[in-house]
Amino acid sequence: DAGVTQSPTHLIKTRGQHVTLRCSPISGHKSVSWYQQVLGQGPQFIFQYYEKEERGRGNFPDRFSARQFPNYSSELNVNALLLGDSALYLCASSQEQGRFRSETQYFGPGTRLLVL
Amino acid sequence: GESVGLHLPTLSVQEGDNSIINCAYSNSASDYFIWYKQESGKGPQFIIDIRSNMDKRQGQRVTVLLNKTVKHLSLQIAATQPGDSAVYFCAEIISGGYNKLIFGAGTRLAVHP
Repeated sequence: DAGVTQSPTHLIKTRGQHVTLRCSPISGHKSVSWYQQVLGQGPQFIFQYYEKEERGRGNFPDRFSARQFPNYSSELNVNALLLGDSALYLCASSQEQGRFRSETQYFGPGTRLLVL
Repeated sequence: GESVGLHLPTLSVQEGDNSIINCAYSNSASDYFIWYKQESGKGPQFIIDIRSNMDKRQGQRVTVLLNKTVKHLSLQIAATQPGDSAVYFCAEIISGGYNKLIFGAGTRLAVHP
């Protein structure tokens, strides 16, 4: 079975542009979470979606938005890019929403975004 | 506050030795912890988890210990191999109706032959 897939793998943008990152969860997984990982740091939680609804949001500005589709895939959108948005963007999927804390999140390889 | 940190940023060990990676957490209400391994160019890979009602859990060559009194977590890797070289993160589950992982900064494990 395929794991979590993300596209593109790498992306270069300039300040002020917008970007859309895509994620396909593991087959059968209904929940998708997005994390930002700046070089040398641990991942930081951005969003969690379950059944197409936003269930949680981290401390990120409104320039960051996301959505989940009926097939449970997800997009992360970032508008008005800043240099500080350069990071590895990780998508993780789990079977359920996570009411039970043992719902393991499985990560994709990430999309590396560079903002110039 | 919500934070998970690590005592050592880099750990160097000889192949075949045992490795111990430590982690401190600050949220006493957290009740679930996970260790992830991240190799260069890859996403974090689940290693092992532990609930707060447990003190110890063992997997294949790995053991996680939880000391709730001092809010400390450790990952022990037996007979460390070159393939174990990676950055290791502990993550804390924050309650609130969904699984929000709070990661620490990570410890780099370097295994030398």
